[in-house]
Amino acid sequence: QKEVEQDPGPLSVPEGAIVSLNCTYSNSAFQYFMWYRQYSRKGPELLMYTYSSGNKEDGRFTAQVDKSSKYISLFIRDSQPSDSATYLCAMSPQTGANNLFFGTGTRLTVIP
Amino acid sequence: KAGVTQTPRYLIKTRGQQVTLSCSPISGHRSVSWYQQTPGQGLQFLFEYFSETQRNKGNFPGRFSGRQFSNSRSEMNVSTLELGDSALYLCASSSNRVSGANVLTFGAGSRLTVL
Repeated sequence: QKEVEQDPGPLSVPEGAIVSLNCTYSNSAFQYFMWYRQYSRKGPELLMYTYSSGNKEDGRFTAQVDKSSKYISLFIRDSQPSDSATYLCAMSPQTGANNLFFGTGTRLTVIP
Repeated sequence: KAGVTQTPRYLIKTRGQQVTLSCSPISGHRSVSWYQQTPGQGLQFLFEYFSETQRNKGNFPGRFSGRQFSNSRSEMNVSTLELGDSALYLCASSSNRVSGANVLTFGAGSRLTVL
């Protein structure tokens, strides 16, 4: 069993919809949680990161962490065709660590 | 500010050959990490270099190796290639914060196909 599980999708939604992307994990030592977005033929780019449990909002994006359930979510409001990409969750047990544990990614398509 | 540059972008090799991939980090970044991305396993950490020293290593066989030069540029090498080594190899650089999460900036990757 992988330490980080993520539904690969694909997920198709109409423009303007609210999108919910989720990951579960098994290692209770994870403290830093990140969401990356990867466009086709590009490397992943960091969207958001949070420390421990709680919510963080940045524009149309909201990240939630529930450490008691070992569950993290990314919500995208008013989704746009430009949001079409693969979304990867990532996590780390320690500060300053570059060896992140990634989910396999969820491919999202926003239909105009 | 230039991003992370990886070369070559695409390459095709045959089983048993070896390959060297190159990564130039963002100017001023001293930490370089390498990841392998495959459809089934996603991104998996290979190793990290900081100031020319390997600081961390993932669970990959010894056929996978790397190094970092004094200008922070890094190379990774895979010897005796196997079909299963076909993947996108991603390099990421960071400024090595001492607290909090490090922001990894990824390059576009080198796509390796082993025939």
